[in-house]
Amino acid sequence: QQQVKQSPQSLIVQKGGISIINCAYENTAFDYFPWYQQFPGKGPALLIAIRPDVSEKKEGRFTISFNKSAKQFSLHIMDSQPGDSATYFCAGYTSGTYKYIFGTGTRLKVLA
Amino acid sequence: DADVTQTPRNRITKTGKRIMLECSQTKGHDRMYWYRQDPGLGLRLIYYSFDVKDINKGEISDGYSVSRQAQAKFSLSLESAIPNQTALYFCATGGWGASEADEQFFGPGTRLTVL
Repeated sequence: QQQVKQSPQSLIVQKGGISIINCAYENTAFDYFPWYQQFPGKGPALLIAIRPDVSEKKEGRFTISFNKSAKQFSLHIMDSQPGDSATYFCAGYTSGTYKYIFGTGTRLKVLA
Repeated sequence: DADVTQTPRNRITKTGKRIMLECSQTKGHDRMYWYRQDPGLGLRLIYYSFDVKDINKGEISDGYSVSRQAQAKFSLSLESAIPNQTALYFCATGGWGASEADEQFFGPGTRLTVL
């Protein structure tokens, strides 16, 4: 019940295209769903996050879509750029526990 | 200067050796975490600490131990390293305030290879 399933494991997108990464969860106690971005040789860093009371959150070219009934959420990167090439992790989190359950990661490569 | 630092950044050791990975932070956070990252498995929690006197096991604590020497320092030890502990290890911190309570701040990682 703790698991967060992430797909695809790797993704190649042309510059200017849309990158889509999907996550599904089972634990209905999760109340915060962040996405972390990790560049090679660096630690993950918070990219964007959403709470289940909204269905979409947009920050620049990055959008989270959230479907509470399906227990799924996704990251959309519009107008993907080579600088977006990184590994992306979704996560589920329950406020007050201070513990994250991370997905398995998606390695994104954006071709110039 | 980096807020969360890890030493060493790279380490090669042999099976059976004891090694320690160190983490220091200048963010003033009470919460500190150790994760390991493996390809296809994502980030998995090894241990976490909410203050100097509070240490908790994560989902994969077997074969590891930790020490919280001070608010700013959290060390991870492998008592007798084995090859399947070869991985990328991350330290992370978290605050209590409204703007930081739900965010994890990661160090740059330590790449450990056990031969």
